[in-house]
Amino acid sequence: DSGVTQTPKHLITATGQRVTLRCSPRSGDLSVYWYQQSLDQGLQFLIQYYNGEERAKGNILERFSAQQFPDLHSELNLSSLELGDSALYFCASSVGTDLSTDTQYFGPGTRLTVL
Amino acid sequence: AQSVTQLDSHVSVSEGTPVLLRCNYSSSYSPSLFWYVQHPNKGLQLLLKYTSAATLVKGINGFEAEFKKSETSFHLTKPSAHMSDAAEYFCVVTVLSGGSYIPTFGRGTSLIVHP
Repeated sequence: DSGVTQTPKHLITATGQRVTLRCSPRSGDLSVYWYQQSLDQGLQFLIQYYNGEERAKGNILERFSAQQFPDLHSELNLSSLELGDSALYFCASSVGTDLSTDTQYFGPGTRLTVL
Repeated sequence: AQSVTQLDSHVSVSEGTPVLLRCNYSSSYSPSLFWYVQHPNKGLQLLLKYTSAATLVKGINGFEAEFKKSETSFHLTKPSAHMSDAAEYFCVVTVLSGGSYIPTFGRGTSLIVHP
C-alpha cells in the first residue's frame, strides 16, 4: 500500500458527460501528479500540483482540469467526455518537486469507461 | 526533447534464469532515469532510479540497472527471475524543462515468467 488513495475505483459514464476523480496524497507529501494510461497512448503525464499551485503541465487536454485543495487532496475534472478518454487515471504524490531525487508514490488508479 | 524507447514489448523467461529489459533514451540534458513495475490491477512502484551518482544502480527485489551514457541506455537486469516478477515494467526519463521536471514513460515491457 503506497499511502495514496484514489476514488472512485471504477467509473462508467456516457459521452458528453463530466466526471471528477479524487486523489489523497501520502501524509506529508506536497506534490500531486496526474497520469493517464491508455492502450493507444501508453502512460502520459498530465499535470502536477505543488502545495496548491500548478507546477508543471504535460499532455493535458483543454477539456481536462485539475486543482489541489488546502488539505492537499486533488481533483481531476474531465468534461465533454469522448470514447477515447476511456483509460486508467493514476495519481501520484511526492514530498517536493524535484523528480530527480524525490520518489513518486502511485495510487491504485481510477478506471474510467466512457460509453 | 526527451524520449524513451523500450526495445521489447514482451520478454519471456523461465523461473531462475536471468532477466534483461532494455531501455534507450534520448535527452538533450543530463537525465534522471527510473524503472517502475506495475503488477496487474495495481499502481506503479519504483524499482530504482539513476540521478547522476553511481552508474550501476541497485533497486528492490534484486533488480539493478546500469546507466551507459555512450550507449544512451539504462537496461534493467536481474540474475534470477521469480514467478512474482511477472508484471509490466516501465522505463522513465525525467528532464528539467522550464523549471519543472517532466517525466516521459516508455511504452512498457511485459515480463512473462514460466515455471
